[in-house]
Parts: sequence; structure tokens; C-alpha cells
Amino acid sequence: ETGVTQTPRHLVMGMTNKKSLKCEQHLGHNAMYWYKQSAKKPLELMFVYSLEERVENNSVPSRFSPECPNSSHLFLHLHTLQPEDSALYLCASSQGVNNQPQHFGDGTRLSIL
Amino acid sequence: AQSVTQLDSQVPVFEEAPVELRCNYSSSVSVYLFWYVQYPNQGLQLLLKYLSGSTLVKGINGFEAEFNKSQTSFHLRKPSVHISDTAEYFCAAQISSGGYQKVTFGIGTKLQVIP
Repeated sequence: ETGVTQTPRHLVMGMTNKKSLKCEQHLGHNAMYWYKQSAKKPLELMFVYSLEERVENNSVPSRFSPECPNSSHLFLHLHTLQPEDSALYLCASSQGVNNQPQHFGDGTRLSIL
Repeated sequence: AQSVTQLDSQVPVFEEAPVELRCNYSSSVSVYLFWYVQYPNQGLQLLLKYLSGSTLVKGINGFEAEFNKSQTSFHLRKPSVHISDTAEYFCAAQISSGGYQKVTFGIGTKLQVIP
């Protein structure tokens, strides 16, 4: 059982495609996060939203565009991705941006052809 | 800046044997410390956390960790592992001062429990 749901679980796309990753949390939290998980690298924080305002943009390329329409939903819009963007993308939420633990979704496995 | 070092990328251990997964952090200020576990095809799940107080922290699934300020370590231990403990374990740190503070993760340690 997870309070954070990510869709799709798997995504294969070409470099010229446009797609979006979706995250929904059912925990009543007010902070949401996107992380990139690549093999043999530490988890990379991409974006943080607190009360629907972005508080962290960790030098992420503009081909990744986040959207937080409300405190329960978070999107990651993708366009013109590169092969090195293939990774597991994890969404997380927490009650308060400095509070732990963060609750993670099961991720979207993204493969760029 | 803070960093988290997990010294072992893989740790094989026989079932029912004890295990220790090592974590060191570097920070010039006080930090909160965490261990997360990731099972295959799943997200991260919190095992335990140290915020303040007792340096020995107990978590879920029989795991515990000890905060050692002088050695800047937060090693994870379990006295007897099970097959179901096979997973990847991540140590993380967060500066405990005011304002937004991001969590820094280690590279992860894969625990393989051998029957």
C-alpha cells in the first residue's frame, strides 16, 4: 500500500516525443518532490514544491518541466529528452518541506530510445 | 555543503547472520540522519531516523542504527538477517537548521542475503 501513486510505471519514448509523468498523494501532505534515480549514483533531487510553490530547482535541464496544480498532484512534463535521461523517476511527499519522512511512490521507469 | 558516504556498494551475508551497513556524513552543522530501504520495483521506505536524543535508534524490521558524532557515522545494524531483507539501503542526511534544507542521499548499499 502506498499513499503516493505514480503513473505510468514504465515509459519508453523517443527523443522527439512529449510525455508527462503523474504523481498523486493521498496523505494530505503539502510538500512534493521529484527525484531522479540512476544506477550507481546518489538519488538526485530535481524539484521541490511547498504549498504549490516551487522552492527548489536543482539545476535541472529545461527539457524537464514540473507542474503542481494543487497539493495532491505533481506532474513532470518531458520533451526532447536525451538517452542519459533514462532512469527511475521517483515522486515523494511530506507534511512540511523540512519534515521527514518523505513518503515515496514506486517510480516511473523511463527509457529513452 | 553536506555529503553522505556509504562505503560498501554491495554486502553479501548469510541468512541469520548479523550485518552492518556503514554510513558516514560530512557536515559542519547539526544534521538529521535517516536510513531508507528500497525493495525491487518499489520506492524508498523509511527504516529509521535520528533527530535528537538517544544515539541508538530502533527502526522497523528489527533494524537499528547508532549515531556517533565524533566519528560522523550512522551505521545500520541487524543482529540476524532474513531473505526478505534483500534490498538496497540508502543513508541520508538533512541539515537541522532553519529554512528549507534538502535531504542528501548516499549512493546506496545492496544487501544480498544468501540462504
